Formats: sequence, structure tokens, C-alpha cells
Amino acid sequence: GAVVSQHPSRVICKSGTSVKIECRSLDFQATTMFWYRQFPKQSLMLMATSNEGSKATYEQGVEKDKFLINHASLTLSTLTVTSAHPEDSSFYICSAKAGGRGETQYFGPGTRLLVL
Amino acid sequence: QQQVKQSPQSLIVQKGGISIINCAYENTAFDYFPWYQQFPGKGPALLIAIRPDVSEKKEGRFTISFNKSAKQFSLHIMDSQPGDSATYFCAASTGTYKYIFGTGTRLKVLA
Repeated sequence: GAVVSQHPSRVICKSGTSVKIECRSLDFQATTMFWYRQFPKQSLMLMATSNEGSKATYEQGVEKDKFLINHASLTLSTLTVTSAHPEDSSFYICSAKAGGRGETQYFGPGTRLLVL
Repeated sequence: QQQVKQSPQSLIVQKGGISIINCAYENTAFDYFPWYQQFPGKGPALLIAIRPDVSEKKEGRFTISFNKSAKQFSLHIMDSQPGDSATYFCAASTGTYKYIFGTGTRLKVLA
């Protein structure tokens, strides 16, 4: 149980285009989903927290107009990188937490974004 | 106060040995301490987690030791295997559910 999927696993795009990454909880309802960014050999950096049906809460320094997050249902959250630039190239990982007292975050497999 | 300090940054252990990774925190409001294992190009996977009301938790070859007074917790991997070679992250959280991650430890187990 507690499986989280991400799609796509890899994406290459041209500078200036937008890219959407999907995060799905496959066997549980996720009231809260998180989006992280990870640079090579570094820890996970939380970008934003999203709760189903409400606006995402962004961490300090994360541009909310550049990284659009939508949590439209209890099993799906999307991250859209708008007008991507090479410096947005990174490994993006989502996690999901079940409702109630569940504190455990279950992570997706990650999406490798390369902006040319 | 929100930091979680993790050490060592990297660790090399012989097959069959014990791998020990340590984490320390400042915020006494933290009440949930998970450990995650991450292989290159993959997302982190939950290994084991502990709450401050217990001093030790064991699951197979993985053990968490928790010292509330010292505000430290550690992961012990017994009988380390080459397949355990990965990056390990400790984390801490409060009721807000946001994790504060350690900086990670790259473990290499030699065959």
C-alpha cells in the first residue's frame, strides 16, 4: 500500500515552454501533497504544500507564478513549470500524506526535467 | 531551530558491518522522526520511523535509537549489504506535517 506515482519520469523541453508534472496517490486518499526539488547530491528542498481544494502554500523564495500547483482531487496534484529556463532543470519529487493522523509522507519516483 | 543536522556526510562500510548515521535537532516540538532511503534517480522510500515516546525501534536489520534528552536519533543498519548502498535522509516533523530533512548520508557498502 501507499504508492505514489509521477508522470512523466523524464521530460526534455525547450526554454520558454511550460511543463506539467502529475503526482497521483494510487491506493489512498491524499489530503496533503508536497512538492520538492532536489539538486545532485543534495537534500530535498520543499517547494510547496498543497491541500485538496485549496491554494498551495509556497516556501520562501519559491515563485508561485512560475511553479503552479493544483490539487484538484484527493488523488491528484500537478506541478506546472511555466516558461521553463535551463536553471529550472532539476529532479522534482512529490509526496503524499494520508488524511487523519498519518504523519508519514510517501514519495513518488521523481521527474527529471531538462530544459534546453 | 528548524534544522536537522545529519552526520556523517558519507560512510564506507564493509559487507556484514554496522552502518551508523546520526541526526540531531533543536526544536523540541518535533514529534515524528522518519528515515528514508534513496537510490540514484529514484524517490525516497520510507525505511523506519519513531516517535519520542520510545527509545528504540527495530525493523529487520534497521534500528532507530532515540535519545530525547540529547535531542539525537540514529539509524543503525546491521549486517550491511552492498544493496544497502544508497543515500539516507533523516527527517523531523511536528503536527504541521512539514518535514525538515537532514543533509543526507551517502553510504557505500563494500562487497
